[in-house]
Amino acid sequence: EDQVTQSPEALRLQEGESSSLNCSYTVSGLRGLFWYRQDPGKGPEFLFTLYSAGEEKEKERLKATLTKKESFLHITAPKPEDSATYLCAVQAPGNTGKLIFGQGTTLQVKP
Amino acid sequence: EPEVTQTPSHQVTQMGQEVILRCVPISNHLYFYWYRQILGQKVEFLVSFYNNEISEKSEIFDDQFSVERPDGSNFTLKIRSTKLEDSAMYFCASRRDRGEFYEQYFGPGTRLTVT
Repeated sequence: EDQVTQSPEALRLQEGESSSLNCSYTVSGLRGLFWYRQDPGKGPEFLFTLYSAGEEKEKERLKATLTKKESFLHITAPKPEDSATYLCAVQAPGNTGKLIFGQGTTLQVKP
Repeated sequence: EPEVTQTPSHQVTQMGQEVILRCVPISNHLYFYWYRQILGQKVEFLVSFYNNEISEKSEIFDDQFSVERPDGSNFTLKIRSTKLEDSAMYFCASRRDRGEFYEQYFGPGTRLTVT
């Protein structure tokens, strides 16, 4: 069964304290792994797409990496405005583009 | 920057009533989706829609649910007879094309409360 598991469920950091979020997946033929940011009461906001092991993407303080079994979202010197829930999703096999989401990691960055 | 919009932002309805949730996908996108998120739980796939027909639906998407693209811009989700367990955030998403290299963009969501 295709599955996505994220850890930790919650993470508290001091401003400037770098860390990483993990996304482990099992899917029969990865067709894309996606990172989204979700603020409370809002829709997921697209951050990154990764397609093949070894691929890396960066945006400001965020860097996403991909291996054959997991993805990491590295946050360098976070700021309070980086506080949000970060969602990982994989595209299911087939052509419909259906996404399978993990439960998310809620990040709180304290000043 | 183009974005997915949804209305209403919050809908309160009584059990057994019909509701229609509305979405305007990004204009040049071809694939449309509905997802839902029960409070504190994962985002769950409901249905995908392409070329004016359902391309895939989940087990959640039973006969009480239907989708429609009534014109060139709107995409709707109808729940015929709401249940308490339908209370959730409903997100519409759209994607430019069917290939592997296109991400989905999500709307802000409609919070549905069934009393």
